[in-house]
Amino acid sequence: DAGVTQSPTHLIKTRGQHVTLRCSPISGHKSVSWYQQVLGQGPQFIFQYYEKEERGRGNFPDRFSARQFPNYSSELNVNALLLGDSALYLCASSVVGSREQYFGPGTRLTVT
Amino acid sequence: EDQVTQSPEALRLQEGESSSLNCSYTVSGLRGLFWYRQDPGKGPEFLFTLYSAGEEKEKERLKATLTKKESFLHITAPKPEDSATYLCAVGRGTSYGKLTFGQGTILTVHP
Repeated sequence: DAGVTQSPTHLIKTRGQHVTLRCSPISGHKSVSWYQQVLGQGPQFIFQYYEKEERGRGNFPDRFSARQFPNYSSELNVNALLLGDSALYLCASSVVGSREQYFGPGTRLTVT
Repeated sequence: EDQVTQSPEALRLQEGESSSLNCSYTVSGLRGLFWYRQDPGKGPEFLFTLYSAGEEKEKERLKATLTKKESFLHITAPKPEDSATYLCAVGRGTSYGKLTFGQGTILTVHP
């Protein structure tokens, strides 16, 4: 079975622009979580979605938003990009009610 | 606030030299402690889940244990392909989708 997939793999944006990152969960997984991983640190929780609703939010500004689609795929949107948004953005999926999360390969975002 | 601290930050071993990585945690209502392996530029790969003190799990050369305050990842007779960053994370009672991660331990195994 295919694992979690994310697109694009790499992205370079300029300060002030916006970006959309995409994630497809493992088949049968209905919960998707997003994390930001800055170089040298562990992943930080941004959002969790299942049944198309936000179920949890980390300590990130309102410039970050997300949504989940009927097929359980998800998008993460970041507006008004800052240099500090440069990071690896990870998507993880899980069975609803389980805390075992399986991660995708990530999207490397560079803001210049 | 949940806290996870991993030590050491970096560990260099010779092939065959066994050692342990430590993960100390503070969380209200622990609902699972998770170990992941992460290779450079890739997403974390799930290794183990531990739920209660005294629990142990093994996979090849890796063995994870859990106490009420910390977890250990024991690596027996490591090989160069075990080189990676090992991440520890905790889940809490009411937040199904949120894991709180430590900063990781960078393991390098020399042939």
